[in-house]
Amino acid sequence: DTGVSQDPRHKITKRGQNVTFRCDPISEHNRLYWYRQTLGQGPEFLTYFQNEAQLEKSRLLSDRFSAERPKGSFSTLEIQRTEQGDSAMYLCASSPQGPISNYGYTFGSGTRLTVV
Amino acid sequence: AQSVTQLGSHVSVSEGALVLLRCNYSSSVPPYLFWYVQYPNQGLQLLLKYTSAATLVKGINGFEAEFKKSETSFHLTKPSAHMSDAAEYFCAVSLTGTASKLTFGTGTRLQVTL
Repeated sequence: DTGVSQDPRHKITKRGQNVTFRCDPISEHNRLYWYRQTLGQGPEFLTYFQNEAQLEKSRLLSDRFSAERPKGSFSTLEIQRTEQGDSAMYLCASSPQGPISNYGYTFGSGTRLTVV
Repeated sequence: AQSVTQLGSHVSVSEGALVLLRCNYSSSVPPYLFWYVQYPNQGLQLLLKYTSAATLVKGINGFEAEFKKSETSFHLTKPSAHMSDAAEYFCAVSLTGTASKLTFGTGTRLQVTL
């Protein structure tokens, strides 16, 4: 297993377009998380899945954002009608089931979105 | 609500000098605390974690951190800095027993000079 994989690494899009990012977690991890990191800030929680169930969503996740994990494996994050304020690094992480104290997270390398 | 505050957005040390990166937390219940490192254009890598066992926690790359409840602190240290330690460091907190979100600080950029 090569860790958490995110695709694409970079995405440049015009304002108003839709974009979709993909995350492939470590195969035996049933928890998957999405975070957003803007320049000079720490990552901010967006949402998390346990298997295919989306268990928590941040208020940061506006109606233009949707995340899915249909088969409990990979996940997609879609942003509709992108705005310049959506420009950020989108990070995916995964962990096994169990207390976070045992594992922490394993992060992917992120997808950097630039909205022009 | 839980939060962490990292004092100093930039820290510069000479190679071989002591590294000290500060983190203070706020939590209504005993927290789990983490330090992550981020190299340019990469994701975050776990350095170490405090989970209510030993208060002095040793991590990778020679880093360690001490949990001090009386000071609500979890500062990260390394006795001797190396050029390869130059990166962004993030402190994070999670509520005890929860499986969901980590709350991150704003980060400290460590610069190591010759």
